[in-house]
Amino acid sequence: EVQLVESGGGLVQPGRSLRLSCAASGFTFDDYAMHWVRQAPGKGLEWVSGISWNSGVMAYVDSVKGRFTISRDNAKNSLYLQMNSLRVEDTALYYCAKRVGGGGYYFDYWGQGTLVTVSS
Amino acid sequence: QSALTQPRSVSGSPGQSVTISCTGTSSDVSGYNYVSWYQQHPGKAPKLIIYDVSKRPSGVPDRFSGSKSGNTASLTISGLQAEDEADYYCCSNAGRYTYVFGGGTKLTVL
Repeated sequence: EVQLVESGGGLVQPGRSLRLSCAASGFTFDDYAMHWVRQAPGKGLEWVSGISWNSGVMAYVDSVKGRFTISRDNAKNSLYLQMNSLRVEDTALYYCAKRVGGGGYYFDYWGQGTLVTVSS
Repeated sequence: QSALTQPRSVSGSPGQSVTISCTGTSSDVSGYNYVSWYQQHPGKAPKLIIYDVSKRPSGVPDRFSGSKSGNTASLTISGLQAEDEADYYCCSNAGRYTYVFGGGTKLTVL
């Protein structure tokens, strides 16, 4: 059974940093690209960042470029999101999502999310 | 990287059909045949219901169907049931490893 379990969220002041983690199990982690998607309270989904299976390609939404860094450790079956210079508007539930394999471009499994609250 | 445009809400009675539109640009929806749709119930993670514009994952009822014409993709739910009441999001690939979601549509089953 595929499982994605996010952790690392919490309350943080504007300008500070936070590192999110996603522990994956139930599939061969290093075969798949992985992504972060966030959802602000009461708002819609927003794709944040993605990383290829071998970390060769990383992509970001414009609003986090230069502040967030996605990474993965295939030996630990883990995905990370380093978030620096956090802003109030980064407040959201952050989901880890697995991209389907075989050249598909959709997310077939999602975690339950970890909540990040940026507030003074 | 502008969000795809969806109606904020739609509604229908049990047994009826509803269609949710999702409008993008040549950089996303019309540029790729990689539109997917997700259903999200309150407090739950999104669930994939349509991928590659019109394909259904195993286990998703055939009441759910997808299509695309030009810059606009559509999700149609026929034979509405109470459990279909949820938020629905479209998503399109927008170039290598980048994606864009729609703003979401709240479906109310009357």
